[in-house]
Amino acid sequence: GAVVSQHPSWVICKSGTSVKIECRSLDFQATTMFWYRQFPKQSLMLMATSNEGSKATYEQGVEKDKFLINHASLTLSTLTVTSAHPEDSSFYICSAPIAGSSYNEQFFGPGTRLTVL
Amino acid sequence: GQNIDQPTEMTATEGAIVQINCTYQTSGFNGLFWYQQHAAEAPTFLSYNVLDGLEEKGRFSSFLSRSKGYSYLLLKELQMKDSASYLCAVIDSNYQLIWGAGTKLIIKP
Repeated sequence: GAVVSQHPSWVICKSGTSVKIECRSLDFQATTMFWYRQFPKQSLMLMATSNEGSKATYEQGVEKDKFLINHASLTLSTLTVTSAHPEDSSFYICSAPIAGSSYNEQFFGPGTRLTVL
Repeated sequence: GQNIDQPTEMTATEGAIVQINCTYQTSGFNGLFWYQQHAAEAPTFLSYNVLDGLEEKGRFSSFLSRSKGYSYLLLKELQMKDSASYLCAVIDSNYQLIWGAGTKLIIKP
């Protein structure tokens, strides 16, 4: 089946540094990818929709200058958390639907656990 | 606003049957998903309903009533490994997923 990978799986960084998270669709092309954030004991929160070849669409309340998204190819989207702070510590998950799939199924990456000290 | 309601937590016994309900109020409807999520892992797909009725897949079944804005996930022959959070999510008219907060299911021997 379709697989979505994320790298790194976990990262610890100092406050003020930037962290890049990659999301790859391994055996299918994804014109759209979604980035979610999940705080402990809370539901997944959509942060932004990444569109190949165009600007990402951010959800209300998500700072586009802080969470930079680049969807450079049909198989890769990156999320960069700039000037990370402890409150950005969270589980970041990406997902991708198979383009043209009538099933509308989303495949999730394994997630990236970010800890900002 | 858009809203999805699920019970916060449920407890069931190994080998029994449990039904997890989900009610939704969204701007448009293009399908409803159920996902299973174990602690510190990404959600895994369980089912997708877009038409009314019951979809059965092994030990798991999912039901949808669009007129009532209601769905349930039915788990039979419960196993200890079924202990997890179960997330209900609806695709709205903009084809974005609206997530419920999840139901933590605790299975006891």
